Amino acid sequence: DQQVKQNSPSLSVQEGRISILNCDYTNSMFDYFLWYKKYPAEGPTFLISISSIKDKNEDGRFTVFLNKSAKHLSLHIVPSQPGDSAVYFCAASGEDAGNMLTFGGGTRLMVKP
Amino acid sequence: ETGVTQSPTHLIKTRGQQVTLRCSSQSGHNTVSWYQQALGQGPQFIFQYYREEENGRGNFPPRFSGLQFPNYSSELNVNALELDDSALYLCAGEMDSLVDTQYFGPGTRLTVL
Repeated sequence: DQQVKQNSPSLSVQEGRISILNCDYTNSMFDYFLWYKKYPAEGPTFLISISSIKDKNEDGRFTVFLNKSAKHLSLHIVPSQPGDSAVYFCAASGEDAGNMLTFGGGTRLMVKP
Repeated sequence: ETGVTQSPTHLIKTRGQQVTLRCSSQSGHNTVSWYQQALGQGPQFIFQYYREEENGRGNFPPRFSGLQFPNYSSELNVNALELDDSALYLCAGEMDSLVDTQYFGPGTRLTVL
């Protein structure tokens, strides 16, 4: 039972354009959501997070949107850069799960120069 | 630089053997979590330790066990290895003041033959 799903295994975007990565979840007890970026041979690195009391959080080129009614979040990267090419994981946590992170399967983003 | 290191980088074992993976986190990381990432999937939570006590466990059998030490290092032990245990094993350190923002090590790639 996958509680966090990333339905697009890969995404290809031209440099300078917007990248939109999507994530859906099923557990309504999740109250905190995070995005991680992973390069080969490295561990995931934290990118941006959002609490369930907000619907948007922005940090430079990265913006995360949360739609609680649809149980959907998205990560927008604008403008996309070749260095953004990596695997992106969304993750969720909630007090009922002892704050453990539940990850989606990841989306591989390729930004073409 | 996350301040979290793991050893060894790669490991090959045969079915039925036992393995110990190590993680060294930075000062202040009172919480350590371990994850298993199978090929093409997102990390799956194994267990979490807080100040040397197990603080939560995912859906993994008892042959997966762990220890956390006062010097912010920890171990993941797996007994009676199975072929499906082949995966990247990630540990993540977390500070009390930054709950849910975990800093991951680069992982140990375990291959079970």
